[in-house]
Amino acid sequence: AQTVTQSQPEMSVQEAETVTLSCTYDTSESDYYLFWYKQPPSRQMILVIRQEAYKQQNATENRFSVNFQKAAKSFSLKISDSQLGDAAMYFCAYLAGATNKLIFGTGTLLAVQP
Amino acid sequence: KAGVTQTPRYLIKTRGQQVTLSCSPISGHRSVSWYQQTPGQGLQFLFEYFSETQRNKGNFPGRFSGRQFSNSRSEMNVSTLELGDSALYLCASSLAIGGTYEQYFGPGTRLTVT
Repeated sequence: AQTVTQSQPEMSVQEAETVTLSCTYDTSESDYYLFWYKQPPSRQMILVIRQEAYKQQNATENRFSVNFQKAAKSFSLKISDSQLGDAAMYFCAYLAGATNKLIFGTGTLLAVQP
Repeated sequence: KAGVTQTPRYLIKTRGQQVTLSCSPISGHRSVSWYQQTPGQGLQFLFEYFSETQRNKGNFPGRFSGRQFSNSRSEMNVSTLELGDSALYLCASSLAIGGTYEQYFGPGTRLTVT
């Protein structure tokens, strides 16, 4: 069975600084996708970034980038130039290729200090 | 384009009752997935529907059921409610099946069972 592990329940970063959130996963599938979702206090789940397993290049979306280490089954999220609006719960998620079933980690609560 | 809508947003029910939650996907989206979010168990996958067919089901008891209509709207039903069913229920819609299609989440229905 596929699993997703986030070992950092809480993280804190100063505004304008950089922070990295960790995620590891386990799967025997070759076709899969990895995601980072953000859930602010409003509880609206928002997609931050997506990585296709077959792509070696790390995904980047503006201030957000990932470090995808396929052999190590590691998928970390780097947030650069942190802003107050980045404060939220961040979930790492896995999806096997032919489904829409997301398997989520337990989340990391990110606080941004002014 | 309107986002994913879920009704009702808040619900209070008594143990033993049943409840029906509704999810209206983004126009044109044919896939709807449901998730349960609790502080103890985190985000857990409930069902996945595509074109009125249930394609995947999570590890939940038979009291949890769902369906999808021809207009892609989906409902989930929980019978004989238990205290442990108190949760935020999220639905997500996407154009089709697979990780290349972004899943858009609704605001959720907060169910409280007393």
